[in-house]
Amino acid sequence: DQQVKQNSPSLSVQEGRISILNCDYTNSMFDYFLWYKKYPAEGPTFLISISSIKDKNEDGRFTVFLNKSAKHLSLHIVPSQPGDSAVYFCAASGGSGGSNYKLTFGKGTLLTVNP
Amino acid sequence: GAVVSQHPSRVICKSGTSVKIECRSLDFQATTMFWYRQFPKQSLMLMATSNEGSKATYEQGVEKDKFLINHASLTLSTLTVTSAHPEDSSFYICSARGIVWTTFGSGTRLTVV
Repeated sequence: DQQVKQNSPSLSVQEGRISILNCDYTNSMFDYFLWYKKYPAEGPTFLISISSIKDKNEDGRFTVFLNKSAKHLSLHIVPSQPGDSAVYFCAASGGSGGSNYKLTFGKGTLLTVNP
Repeated sequence: GAVVSQHPSRVICKSGTSVKIECRSLDFQATTMFWYRQFPKQSLMLMATSNEGSKATYEQGVEKDKFLINHASLTLSTLTVTSAHPEDSSFYICSARGIVWTTFGSGTRLTVV
């Protein structure tokens, strides 16, 4: 049972354009959401997060939107840069099973930004 | 701030031997650390939650006797893969819960030959 879903395994955009990465979740107990960026053979790097009490959080070129009723969040990167090319993981915490520190990850979306 | 160091980054071992992976929080104390495993083109799967001073909590399907976790101090957790087999070859990543968000180590690529 995949509780966090990233349905697009890959996304390709032109430099300077907007990249929109989507994530859906099924567990209504999730109350904190994070986006991580990952390069091959490296650990994930934290990008941006959002609490369930908000619907938008912005940090520089990165903005995360949360639609709780639709159980959907998205990461917007604008303008996209070639250095943004990586795998982006959506993660959620909260829910049953104990510690609310546990993160449940999606499968990731490979973003390629073309010069 | 919030740096997590994981060592080694790569290890190749013979089948049947044991391998220890260390995870250290360098500038903060982490009462809880997490160990993940990632197969190629798959998500990070939580293996266990490491609690300082107590036993680790393993996820369903993870063999606790095979993946030994020790969290002896507030800054160090270790994962030992015992009697490793080729199917244990994977990318192992630790993380530590900081004040605001979870910080990950750089991962360990384990290859069992």
